[in-house]
Amino acid sequence: DQQVKQNSPSLSVQEGRISILNCDYTNSMFDYFLWYKKYPAEGPTFLISISSIKDKNEDGRFTVFLNKSAKHLSLHIVPSQPGDSAVYFCAASDSGGGADGLTFGKGTHLIIQP
Amino acid sequence: DAGVIQSPRHEVTEMGQEVTLRCKPISGHNSLFWYRQTMMRGLELLIYFNNNVPIDDSGMPEDRFSAKMPNASFSTLKIQPSEPRDSAVYFCASSKQGLNNSPLHFGNGTRLTVT
Repeated sequence: DQQVKQNSPSLSVQEGRISILNCDYTNSMFDYFLWYKKYPAEGPTFLISISSIKDKNEDGRFTVFLNKSAKHLSLHIVPSQPGDSAVYFCAASDSGGGADGLTFGKGTHLIIQP
Repeated sequence: DAGVIQSPRHEVTEMGQEVTLRCKPISGHNSLFWYRQTMMRGLELLIYFNNNVPIDDSGMPEDRFSAKMPNASFSTLKIQPSEPRDSAVYFCASSKQGLNNSPLHFGNGTRLTVT
């Protein structure tokens, strides 16, 4: 039973437009959420996070939105750039930001079209 | 900062052989994690250590899998005997857990192929 779901295996967006990646979760005990980005032949790298006490966190071109009632979060990238092409993993924790309870989704492959 | 270092990058072995994957965490990080990535199941946590002590190994699939962390700068994941279904990319990650938690820092992974 997947507790963190990324229902879109891939997403194609034109350069300069907004990319929206979605993530749903089922465990109401999750209180911290993260997005990781992964290039081929490399490990995932941390991108941005949000605590359950917030509904939005912004870092440059990246914004994460959290809707606790819907158990849904999304990552917005604007404007999208070719270097954003990668696999994006959503992750959730039930340990107040600690890494020991991280559960990952299966990832969404974002392709930025020139 | 050299990052998390994993070796080897690629491993091809025959079914029944022993496989040992190695990891050097980031200096100063006190938690270490082993993950496995497959197409079917995505990123799964196998085991994690805190201050060199195994805390949760519930993700280890079978007794064929074992992990050790003899000191703060080295960990191994061993599969004995290996099977074709163990083929996956294995990631090691480390973090600093405490008052100010840091996110996971991943190595570049070991791609294991068992024929």
